[in-house]
Amino acid sequence: ETGVTQSPTHLIKTRGQQVTLRCSSQSGHNTVSWYQQALGQGPQFIFQYYREEENGRGNFPPRFSGLQFPNYSSELNVNALELDDSALYLCAGGEDRRKDGYTFGSGTRLTVV
Amino acid sequence: AQKVTQAQTEISVVEKEDVTLDCVYETRDTTYYLFWYKQPPSGELVFLIRRNSFDEQNEISGRYSWNFQKSTSSFNFTITASQVVDSAVYFCARQGAQKLVFGQGTRLTINP
Repeated sequence: ETGVTQSPTHLIKTRGQQVTLRCSSQSGHNTVSWYQQALGQGPQFIFQYYREEENGRGNFPPRFSGLQFPNYSSELNVNALELDDSALYLCAGGEDRRKDGYTFGSGTRLTVV
Repeated sequence: AQKVTQAQTEISVVEKEDVTLDCVYETRDTTYYLFWYKQPPSGELVFLIRRNSFDEQNEISGRYSWNFQKSTSSFNFTITASQVVDSAVYFCARQGAQKLVFGQGTRLTINP
């Protein structure tokens, strides 16, 4: 059983809209990272939160933002959606000392039309 | 950018064949971690292995084995006696500051 749950599993939005994706991580995951995976590509790092503060960001514009909550849940918000935002969004929870690094959720498949 | 390259986009073999997935990485770090993940159609990334850059010993886990060659910046993955259930997309990744850098992935199809 994965320790990371993402919702919703699928989502269709219209260009220009805003979307919030959610991730629930198991207790002890003090780090959460978000990745965008376009079709046929490897996941690309969006940002990481550690103890509710952003502590790393990839090459994504400011309209991608996030939050991490004390209960190990987190959100990814994307404003002004563009067609190219269509992708699988993966959340990964982790602890610094885990031997296996990060635990990934099954992702949210976002389609922008 | 410090890339991870998986030159094989797709591999197709017949069940019970051995198959090796190649991974070459770039880094300027002296300490880093390397990973392999499996991504089945469900989308979840399933952890297979993490290797510290100081540990160059090869590792075997059942039918899976990994060959880490720091001199050539390669971290190859071999599946022995492949099975249909091994069919998936496999990703190699390097951990840099706060993030994983993934390769493009290799789609492995095992035919019965």
